[in-house]
Amino acid sequence: AQKVTQAQTEISVVEKEDVTLDCVYETRDTTYYLFWYKQPPSGELVFLIRRNSFDEQNEISGRYSWNFQKSTSSFNFTITASQVVDSAVYFCALDRAGGGADGLTFGKGTHLIIQP
Amino acid sequence: DAGVIQSPRHEVTEMGQEVTLRCKPISGHNSLFWYRQTMMRGLELLIYFNNNVPIDDSGMPEDRFSAKMPNASFSTLKIQPSEPRDSAVYFCASSSIRNQPQHFGDGTRLSIL
Repeated sequence: AQKVTQAQTEISVVEKEDVTLDCVYETRDTTYYLFWYKQPPSGELVFLIRRNSFDEQNEISGRYSWNFQKSTSSFNFTITASQVVDSAVYFCALDRAGGGADGLTFGKGTHLIIQP
Repeated sequence: DAGVIQSPRHEVTEMGQEVTLRCKPISGHNSLFWYRQTMMRGLELLIYFNNNVPIDDSGMPEDRFSAKMPNASFSTLKIQPSEPRDSAVYFCASSSIRNQPQHFGDGTRLSIL
């Protein structure tokens, strides 16, 4: 069975601070995919990133960066110089590769509050 | 391109009534997923279709729930009879091939009184 744990239920920081959202996953598969989604107050789910289990390179996209460490089964998300518009619930998710049809297994989400 | 389109956006009905949620996936996507989001259980996969064929419905909570995909551009999720505990936000998502990013609709907020 697969499992995604986001231990931080809520984080509150002041604007311009850096913040890291933790994600730890469990899977018996050797090939899998990891995702991050953002859910702003308006409620839609917005795709942020997909990472293949064979690609452990960190990725940076503007103020966003992701640190994938297979040895610790973690896929953490850092926002640099946070802004009020970053306030949202962020979900980490896991998907099996190849056969099987599990769809996405989501963590419970981290509610990020950026205070002005 | 239009994204995943769900209707209705909001639905309020009394328990015992039949509820039908609708989804139009992104054109060209051949995988379609239905999820449910509640405060208690978070986001859960209900059912998954590939090329209009249901692959895994083990997430469907009860026989009161059913889903169909009669063609590549339309899917329904039906609850009959509805119960208050079915109140949730129901999301539909589609992707082009397995493991590609799933693109989500705006969701249907369902309230069963």
